[in-house]
Amino acid sequence: DTAVSQTPKYLVTQMGNDKSIKCEQNLGHDTMYWYKQDSKKFLKIMFSYNNKELIINETVPNRFSPKSPDKAHLNLHINSLELGDSAVYFCASSQGNRRTKNIQYFGAGTRLSVL
Amino acid sequence: RKEVEQDPGPFNVPEGATVAFNCTYSNSASQSFFWYRQDCRKEPKLLMSVYSSGNEDGRFTAQLNRASQYISLLIRDSKLSDSATYLCVVNPPGFQKLVFGTGTRLLVSP
Repeated sequence: DTAVSQTPKYLVTQMGNDKSIKCEQNLGHDTMYWYKQDSKKFLKIMFSYNNKELIINETVPNRFSPKSPDKAHLNLHINSLELGDSAVYFCASSQGNRRTKNIQYFGAGTRLSVL
Repeated sequence: RKEVEQDPGPFNVPEGATVAFNCTYSNSASQSFFWYRQDCRKEPKLLMSVYSSGNEDGRFTAQLNRASQYISLLIRDSKLSDSATYLCVVNPPGFQKLVFGTGTRLLVSP
């Protein structure tokens, strides 16, 4: 009954590989996000989708491609992985209206290590 | 200037102490404000929203000063379980996104 679930929890891979992280939310929210938390623990937004439409695309290399097949799912595909991509990636979701004030709920994170 | 600035700490306090964290934000038109808590190797979780009138939730009190663009969190009677990183979070205007501060680390010792 996890609200926001992402898989895998850990991902260890070689430089140059392509990998995907999946995220699903069962909260009925319209908006989903991907964040990156680096080694200094700074949490920064990467992408946001509202009802399958991309609404936020921060300055992120185009090796990162989000895909939202429906509003409950937001996946992140990363091509040609680099050492600097090593981080924890968090998925989040929100209802995003005036009443809820955009309170976001986070998945448990995917710890990506690129060797 | 960073969008959201916090003292990274760590704040080391004994159990039972009162501790306060501060945060400043750069966009005066920001609309919503929150404190999130993040335990080591876990995801951020909402601690409380912050309202202009100030709000309290048990041992936690949050204050917002729009004129000074300043948010605070007060924790009374600290417990060992309060040890975590506290993230100041702001929703800038016109964007359905949250901007996170780098967090303030709190360590409560016996």
